[in-house]
Amino acid sequence: GQNIDQPTEMTATEGAIVQINCTYQTSGFNGLFWYQQHAGEAPTFLSYNVLDGLEEKGRFSSFLSRSKGYSYLLLKELQMKDSASYLCAVRDPTGYALNFGKGTSLLVTP
Amino acid sequence: DVKVTQSSRYLVKRTGEKVFLECVQDMDHENMFWYRQDPGLGLRLIYFSYDVKMKEKGDIPEGYSVSREKKERFSLILESASTNQTSMYLCATGRNTGELFFGEGSRLTVL
Repeated sequence: GQNIDQPTEMTATEGAIVQINCTYQTSGFNGLFWYQQHAGEAPTFLSYNVLDGLEEKGRFSSFLSRSKGYSYLLLKELQMKDSASYLCAVRDPTGYALNFGKGTSLLVTP
Repeated sequence: DVKVTQSSRYLVKRTGEKVFLECVQDMDHENMFWYRQDPGLGLRLIYFSYDVKMKEKGDIPEGYSVSREKKERFSLILESASTNQTSMYLCATGRNTGELFFGEGSRLTVL
């Protein structure tokens, strides 16, 4: 199986930067994904990393270190609408499904 | 845009009833998935299918079955609903590479 850990909750201030960490243990690595999920809504795709390094997409960036089994999602210039759950997921070694962490609930305060 | 449509947003059923949750996608994706999402437990994979009539068990298949008779449609069946199956059920689709696309979810309450 795969063990995926991320903090349960985080709080940050509007306009600030926040980093959400994710560590994983897997028998085979086929890529790591970050999703955003607002309360009562479906998860939506944010980013994908399969090679080491930083992927930047607007205010959001995601970093991967395969040797350390570690990723983070960086959110800059936080806005109130960024209050949501952020889900880290690793593709199953079979290559089909995604295995998800329990999610990090981010609260952005004024 | 990918569209993943789940048949019901909210359902209330009684213990022992048979429950069908339907999911339809319009993007010709090979793979379809059923997850359930519970507070504190995150998203857990119930079943997935990588082709018509093919199915594979996920992490928590007990008490569930699935059907995929057509590429665009993947059904989740609870043969005899129990209260511990009260949950949010999320359907997802995708290709062999790339991300998964999720439906809006079906919130099932079993009384």
